Amino acid sequence: DAGVIQSPRHEVTEMGQEVTLRCKPISGHDYLFWYRQTMMRGLELLIYFNNNVPIDDSGMPEDRFSAKMPNASFSTLKIQPSEPRDSAVYFCASKTPGAGEKLFFGSGTQLSVL
Amino acid sequence: RKEVEQDPGPFNVPEGATVAFNCTYSNSASQSFFWYRQDCRKEPKLLMSVYSSGNEDGRFTAQLNRASQYISLLIRDSKLSDSATYLCVVNDDYKLSFGAGTTVTVRA
Repeated sequence: DAGVIQSPRHEVTEMGQEVTLRCKPISGHDYLFWYRQTMMRGLELLIYFNNNVPIDDSGMPEDRFSAKMPNASFSTLKIQPSEPRDSAVYFCASKTPGAGEKLFFGSGTQLSVL
Repeated sequence: RKEVEQDPGPFNVPEGATVAFNCTYSNSASQSFFWYRQDCRKEPKLLMSVYSSGNEDGRFTAQLNRASQYISLLIRDSKLSDSATYLCVVNDDYKLSFGAGTTVTVRA
């Protein structure tokens, strides 16, 4: 298996632009997570899905952020409009059911909003 | 109060030394616990799960103390390749919360 695949690896955009981050989880994984990592705040859970359904989006910072999972093999995280404070590394991760199952991370998207 | 808090670090140790650090969690009903390792500019990867009875994986030993709500990680005979940030992870109903990380640097 290729693992969790994220795209793009790097994104540089200007304030006010729309940004879309993409994620393909590992086939057969029922859970998908979006995390954001910054030096100041560490890894923060933004939202997670189970069987394509959003379960907990309490970590989504504000209405500018939205996430979708139209099918089991694809998810997007959209920021509209983007702001400089959104600059961070965004990770997607997936796992199988079971509290003890490990989380597999993608390589992340480094987002810079100028 | 943060859900998961870790020793601030950084820990700078010579090769061969033993280094240990803790992590505390706020939810007494947390179900499972892990240590992840993150190298610079890379994604986190599972180092080991933490079991109630404590467990070892080679030079790494993890302990869980439910009464005091903390977990620990000990690295024996540290190697240069152990230099990384170690993230404590707590699972609450599939919501995995990460600590801010403890940075360990092993010097020659």
